[in-house]
Amino acid sequence: NAGVTQTPKFRILKIGQSMTLQCTQDMNHNYMYWYRQDPGMGLKLIYYSVGAGITDKGEVPNGYNVSRSTTEDFPLRLELAAPSQTSVYFCASSELGGGAGYTFGSGTRLTVV
Amino acid sequence: AQTVTQSQPEMSVQEAETVTLSCTYDTSESDYYLFWYKQPPSRQMILVIRQEAYKQQNATENRFSVNFQKAAKSFSLKISDSQLGDAAMYFCAYRRSMNRDDKIIFGKGTRLHILP
Repeated sequence: NAGVTQTPKFRILKIGQSMTLQCTQDMNHNYMYWYRQDPGMGLKLIYYSVGAGITDKGEVPNGYNVSRSTTEDFPLRLELAAPSQTSVYFCASSELGGGAGYTFGSGTRLTVV
Repeated sequence: AQTVTQSQPEMSVQEAETVTLSCTYDTSESDYYLFWYKQPPSRQMILVIRQEAYKQQNATENRFSVNFQKAAKSFSLKISDSQLGDAAMYFCAYRRSMNRDDKIIFGKGTRLHILP
């Protein structure tokens, strides 16, 4: 049982480039999330999805896009990368219900230069 | 809006001793869940312990226990017999119950150092 798989683990982008962070879960969770983690700032929600075909903005969505065509996959797209997007990105999933904590992926460290 | 506050950016404790990490939160809800997550240097986020707000009994998981004070909106984590492997960033987190938009809200974290 792989849980939540994120790829790549590390990436360096040049300003203006685009990329997609991949996230796949095999637990049949309806809820999926993308967070970014900046030093001393905790985790900030970028986008989330409550099921296939449904996505919504979180706290810091600017500069990002998502799609959810299947239950398993929730890719995060960065268009026109900027230095402010240098961060560690986490994908997470959970079952329906407040008591269910998240299962996290291992994170992607992205540097924009 | 709900908020989670961790007032201690960093803490240190001697190996084998006990340490308590503080967390306060703000909510108008009566039914919710609270969590502590551990993030070691590997970066992986690991769920340490969870507490249901409607349960008065404090949750425990081996050397980890919480002191949940609902009226004070306080949720501290106690680590007993600290081990070198406990060195990590610890995040306190909150989640409402059974709601379509129930995202987890995280505090900014407390970095815990274990002194040998």
